[in-house]
Amino acid sequence: DAGVTQSPTHLIKTRGQQVTLRCSPKSGHDTVSWYQQALGQGPQFIFQYYEEEERQRGNFPDRFSGHQFPNYSSELNVNALLLGDSALYLCASTLNGLAGSHNEQFFGPGTRLTVL
Amino acid sequence: AQSVTQPDIHITVSEGASLELRCNYSYGATPYLFWYVQSPGQGLQLLLKYFSGDTLVQGIKGFEAEFKRSQSSFNLRKPSVHWSDAAEYFCAVGEVTGFQKLVFGTGTRLLVSP
Repeated sequence: DAGVTQSPTHLIKTRGQQVTLRCSPKSGHDTVSWYQQALGQGPQFIFQYYEEEERQRGNFPDRFSGHQFPNYSSELNVNALLLGDSALYLCASTLNGLAGSHNEQFFGPGTRLTVL
Repeated sequence: AQSVTQPDIHITVSEGASLELRCNYSYGATPYLFWYVQSPGQGLQLLLKYFSGDTLVQGIKGFEAEFKRSQSSFNLRKPSVHWSDAAEYFCAVGEVTGFQKLVFGTGTRLLVSP
C-alpha cells in the first residue's frame, strides 16, 4: 500500500513565476492538507481540502491556492513566486472525521521548492 | 491562538543515554498533542499522540511522553537512545474543535554521539 506521494521531489523557479505541486493521498484517505516548512522551522498549515473544497485555511496570502480532484489527489498552486516561498512543501492525508476528531495524518516526503 | 514552544534547538545525547525533549503549548483548553519525527529526505512520522485519559502515553520506537496540564507541557522521553534516533523532532498541537489542523513547534534536532 503506497503512502502519500508527492511530485516533483525538487523544483527550481525564479521570482514571479508560478508553480504547481501535486499530492496523491494514502489509499482510503479523502482529506488532504498542505504545509509549508521553511528552513529551520516547523511546518505551517496552508490549507485543507475535503470533498473538493477548501474547508480550512491558514495565514497564507491568496497567491496560494489549491484544488482537490474526485480521486482525492490534490494540487497546490503558488503564483507570483517570492524568494520567501522557498521551502519544503508537505502534503498530509487523513480520513475525514467529525469536527473535533483527529484521525492520524500521514505525511509525504515533500517537494523542495527553491525560488531564485 | 494556539502555539507550541520547543526551547531546545539542538540536543546531543550519547548512545545508550536517556533522552528528554521539551515541549510547551498554549491553548485555551486541553488540546490534542502529538510528537512527530522527521529524518532527512523523509516526511513526518507520528511517534505518539495524546487525546485524553492516561497522561503517560506510549509510542513507537520506545518513545513515551507525559502530558502535564499544570505546566502546559508534553515532553518526549526515551530511556536509551540509539544512533538511528538522530533526526528532527516536532511537537504539535491539534485543534479540538477544528478539522485536524496541526500547529507545530520549531523542532529539536537530536544528535547522537558514539
